[in-house]
Amino acid sequence: GQNIDQPTEMTATEGAIVQINCTYQTSGFNGLFWYQQHAGEAPTFLSYNVLDGLEEKGRFSSFLSRSKGYSYLLLKELQMKDSASYLCAVLDSNYQLIWGAGTKLIIKP
Amino acid sequence: TAGITQAPTSQILAAGRSMTLRCTQDMRHNAMYWYRQDLGLGLRLIHYSNTAGTTGKGEVPDGYSVSRANTDDFPLTLASAVPSQTSVYFCASSDSRTADEQFFGPGTRLTVL
Repeated sequence: GQNIDQPTEMTATEGAIVQINCTYQTSGFNGLFWYQQHAGEAPTFLSYNVLDGLEEKGRFSSFLSRSKGYSYLLLKELQMKDSASYLCAVLDSNYQLIWGAGTKLIIKP
Repeated sequence: TAGITQAPTSQILAAGRSMTLRCTQDMRHNAMYWYRQDLGLGLRLIHYSNTAGTTGKGEVPDGYSVSRANTDDFPLTLASAVPSQTSVYFCASSDSRTADEQFFGPGTRLTVL
């Protein structure tokens, strides 16, 4: 079967750095997405990786290792507004997005 | 730009009743999707449409139907609601059903009693 694993919840301090991991087992791979979802709101796009390596976009970076079935989202200089759930999703061989359950990130002052 | 709109925002429905959740996008995207989101589970695809006039089944299609008569609208119908269909429903769209990012509507919170 297809599976996306990510931690259920993480806590970090304002101004610090946090890394949210995602491991996946899917039938085929056409890229990996990270979305941010604030409580009660819709998911919004953060990043897309299809090749191995690190993609940096401001305070957020996303890393992919296809051979290990592994990705992480790195958030730097954490702000209180970064408190949200972070969703990892893999595009499989049928171009269907398989979603993880999300990681709830709690930022403390 | 409105992006994607969904209606209603929330609804309480008696079991056995039918209901249509509405979704409209103004981005001229070809692909549209319906997901349900339940606590502790990832988003699950119910139905999708690659382009106007075509639809396909996702991971959890039973009990739901869709139509795509034009580019902008993608309604989701529950023919006879059951309590297990209590969920938050998100409509999304993307330029194509490949590696394009999906844009989500604000969601409809449905409770079936």
